[in-house]
Amino acid sequence: DTAVSQTPKYLVTQMGNDKSIKCEQNLGHDTMYWYKQDSKKFLKIMFSYNNKELIINETVPNRFSPKSPDKAHLNLHINSLELGDSAVYFCASRQTGTGGSGANVLTFGAGSRLTVL
Amino acid sequence: AQKITQTQPGMFVQEKEAVTLDCTYDTSDPSYGLFWYKQPSSGEMIFLIYQGSYDQQNATEGRYSLNFQKARKSANLVISASQLGDSAMYFCAMREGVKGSTLGRLYFGRGTQLTVWP
Repeated sequence: DTAVSQTPKYLVTQMGNDKSIKCEQNLGHDTMYWYKQDSKKFLKIMFSYNNKELIINETVPNRFSPKSPDKAHLNLHINSLELGDSAVYFCASRQTGTGGSGANVLTFGAGSRLTVL
Repeated sequence: AQKITQTQPGMFVQEKEAVTLDCTYDTSDPSYGLFWYKQPSSGEMIFLIYQGSYDQQNATEGRYSLNFQKARKSANLVISASQLGDSAMYFCAMREGVKGSTLGRLYFGRGTQLTVWP
C-alpha cells in the first residue's frame, strides 16, 4: 500500500488552464505539506495543513489554493497556469507530537510533474 | 542566509569505496533535526537518516552514517561501500524547533548529485 499517493503523476497543460493535484496519505499523520521542486532540483515548501487547518502559507501566488477536506487528504488547485509553474510538486506528511524517539520524518509522495506549454 | 548549504554539486566515487557528502547548516535554535534524503532518477524522495541536535552519538543506518559536528554546524553523510544503486541526488535538510512542532518546516539544501562508477 502506498503511504502517500499523488495523482496525477504527469500533467501537461496549456497556459491559462486550471488544474488540480490530489494527495492522500494512509499513515494516520496529522500534518500534510506541498513542496515545489524547480528545474534546478531546489525544494521549497508551499503549504502545510495540520488537522485540516492551514498552518504554513509561504509566499506563493494566490493562483495556488490548497484544500484539505480531512487530515488524510490535501489537494492543490492551480488557476491560470503560467510557464513558470512547470515543476514537480511533492505532497508529504508527518506526525507531529513529542512522544517516542522518532524523528517525525517527512514521508513524500512520488511527485507530480506539471508541464505548462 | 541559507539554512542548509551543500557545496558539492556533484561527486564521483568508485563502487565499493566510501564517500562523504558535505552539509552545513545555520540556526540559532538549540533544538533542531537534521535529515538526509535520496532522490534517484525516478524522482521519489527517500528518507535515509536523521540526527537530532541533542543526540550524543552520530546516527547510523546500515551503510549510511551521519558525521555530526555540532560546533562546526556540519552534518555530513557518509556512505560506505558504495553501490551502483547509490547514484542519485542527495539532499540535506533541517527542521528547527521541538520535534513535535507543527510549524517545523523542512529547509532543504540544493543537493549533491552522486555518481557511482564500476
